[in-house]
Amino acid sequence: RKEVEQDPGPFNVPEGATVAFNCTYSNSASQSFFWYRQDCRKEPKLLMSVYSSGNEDGRFTAQLNRASQYISLLIRDSKLSDSATYLCAVNPWADSWGKLQFGAGTQVVVTP
Amino acid sequence: DTGVSQDPRHKITKRGQNVTFRCDPISEHNRLYWYRQTLGQGPEFLTYFQNEAQLEKSRLLSDRFSAERPKGSFSTLEIQRTEQGDSAMYLCASSSRTSGRVPPGELFFGEGSRLTVL
Repeated sequence: RKEVEQDPGPFNVPEGATVAFNCTYSNSASQSFFWYRQDCRKEPKLLMSVYSSGNEDGRFTAQLNRASQYISLLIRDSKLSDSATYLCAVNPWADSWGKLQFGAGTQVVVTP
Repeated sequence: DTGVSQDPRHKITKRGQNVTFRCDPISEHNRLYWYRQTLGQGPEFLTYFQNEAQLEKSRLLSDRFSAERPKGSFSTLEIQRTEQGDSAMYLCASSSRTSGRVPPGELFFGEGSRLTVL
């Protein structure tokens, strides 16, 4: 079983719609959680960190559920430019910040 | 450009040859990481440095792989006797505990060095 798992998708989303997807992690001691966005053949870029209380950044909302060991990302009012692969990343080690475990990514395709 | 830069961006080599990648991190970042990403997978941690010290190596990093960061600035990743299974994108990232408002752990990735072993 992989330590960080994501639904690979693709999630086909009409422009303007809402899409949400989860990422599960196996290590209950995990400390930090992140969502990265990766465009085709490009480097990952941090989309947002995920805080215990949940957090929102514009059209993006991230949630953490420690009891069930998953994080979620919700995208509202989807734009064509939101089409990308969304990678979740988990840091299970207290002092090894930056040493992240990534999921394989969830592909989102926003259609006109 | 003050981001992470990697060189070369693309490398095609024959099996058995040696290759070396270079990474220049963001100048004020003291931590530098190497990750490897294959098609359809997320990045996998290989190794990281704090300043010039290599603090950890993944078991993915076989003895054919060696990484250095001699002066605590740029880093090199060398692969000796390349194999077809080494074909991947090699990503360098840097970070700093004082990255500002984001918690420690935000990685700034370079554009990667794509290796194809024939």
